[in-house]
Amino acid sequence: GAVVSQHPSWVICKSGTSVKIECRSLDFQATTMFWYRQFPKQSLMLMATSNEGSKATYEQGVEKDKFLINHASLTLSTLTVTSAHPEDSSFYICSARDMAGWYFGNGTRLTVT
Amino acid sequence: KQEVTQIPAALSVPEGENLVLNCSFTDSAIYNLQWFRQDPGKGLTSLLLIQSSQREQTSGRLNASLDKSSGRSTLYIAASQPGDSATYLCAAQNRDDKIIFGKGTRLHILP
Repeated sequence: GAVVSQHPSWVICKSGTSVKIECRSLDFQATTMFWYRQFPKQSLMLMATSNEGSKATYEQGVEKDKFLINHASLTLSTLTVTSAHPEDSSFYICSARDMAGWYFGNGTRLTVT
Repeated sequence: KQEVTQIPAALSVPEGENLVLNCSFTDSAIYNLQWFRQDPGKGLTSLLLIQSSQREQTSGRLNASLDKSSGRSTLYIAASQPGDSATYLCAAQNRDDKIIFGKGTRLHILP
């Protein structure tokens, strides 16, 4: 089946720095990818829809200037957490779709100290 | 706005028992419904995908049903095993392509 690769799988950064997370569809092209955030013992919450070649669509309450999304090609979307704070510590997961269905990356555990 | 609810939030059962996890959704105009498994600190593993035109899907010891009219889906696990311990997430995909997740059921199978 299709594979979505997410990198890095975990990252620790200092407060105030920026972190970039990559989401790649390895063997298919994805015009649309979704980014989710999951806090401990909570479900996945949709943050934004990443559209290839155009601006991302953010869900209500998600700061677009803080969570920068770039979908530069049909196989790559990136999420940059800018000026990270401890409250941004979370598990971030991306998903992409091919003709058969949706596939999810293995997630990125972000810890901001 | 689609909302997905899962009951119970947590469940512990002895090994070998059959069990049912419940999922309800508020907007019946879904494109499909999917069940996932998530192990602690890990990503998602897709278990079963039910298209809106289908009523159930089966894979091994797992059976998922879908009743769009009542806004409900169930995941049936037969002959549970300790390795089934995980969080099970139900997700409804709307026709705008968004996937809305429930909060999950944390399942613990007692050896």
